[in-house]
Amino acid sequence: QAQLVQSGAEVKKPGASVKVSCKTSGYVFTNYGVSWVRQAPGQGLEWIGWIAASNGHRDYGPTFQDRLTVTMDTSTNTVYMELTSLTSDDTAIYFCVRDFDYRPDYWGQGTPVTVAS
Amino acid sequence: QTVVTQEPSLTVSPGGTVTLTCASSTGAVTSAHYPNWFQQKPGQEPRALIHSASIKYSWTPARFSGSLRGGRAVLTLSGVRPEDEADFYCLLYCGGPQHWVFGGGTKLTVL
Repeated sequence: QAQLVQSGAEVKKPGASVKVSCKTSGYVFTNYGVSWVRQAPGQGLEWIGWIAASNGHRDYGPTFQDRLTVTMDTSTNTVYMELTSLTSDDTAIYFCVRDFDYRPDYWGQGTPVTVAS
Repeated sequence: QTVVTQEPSLTVSPGGTVTLTCASSTGAVTSAHYPNWFQQKPGQEPRALIHSASIKYSWTPARFSGSLRGGRAVLTLSGVRPEDEADFYCLLYCGGPQHWVFGGGTKLTVL
C-alpha cells in the first residue's frame, strides 16, 4: 500500500522560504506523479502544483508560478515543495498526494506551515 | 480561470439520501474533467472516494456513488450514517497549468 510521509511543522517569518518533503513508499515511484495541495485554516482545499516522477515535468497553479518549485529525488523516492516570499496568506496545512491517471488517491498526513512575524 | 462550485452545506437525516453537486464556471462538467470526490473529517487529511466521475476505490463504502448529471458531477450518499458527517470536496481536471481545481467544499451534517 502506498504511503506518503511528510516532514514536520514549520514556522517562518514573512519573506522567508519553506521547503516541505514528502517521502513515498509502497509503490513504483516513477510510475506516478505527486501533487501538492494546501488548506488554509478553516478553508477549503487548493491545488498548487504537480510533478511527474517519470520525467520531472511540472505544472504549477497560476497564482504560484513565480514562487513555487517542486522537485524530486528518485534515489530516495522523495518529492519536495519549496515556496518562497512567504506571507501570512501562505499559512496553511500543505499536503502531498499521489497523482496519476487523473486520480489523486493516497495523501500525506499534512505539514502545517505558519508564517508570522 | 475555472471556478468550481459546490453547495456550501447540506443536512441529511440518518438513513436518508443526499446528493452533492459540482459545477464548473466554464460549462458542463464532462468525463474529460475526470471528476474526483474526497471526504475530509476534522483534523484529518482528505480521503479519496471517487475518481473519473463514478469509479470507486476499494475502500469506498458502497453507499457512496458518483455520476454525471445535468452538466454537473454528482456524489450521492444513500443510507447515510452519522459517521458520514464531514466536508466533501470535488476536484476537476482543467488542463494546462491550472491542472486541477477544487470546489469550495460541502459541509455535510447528519442530524
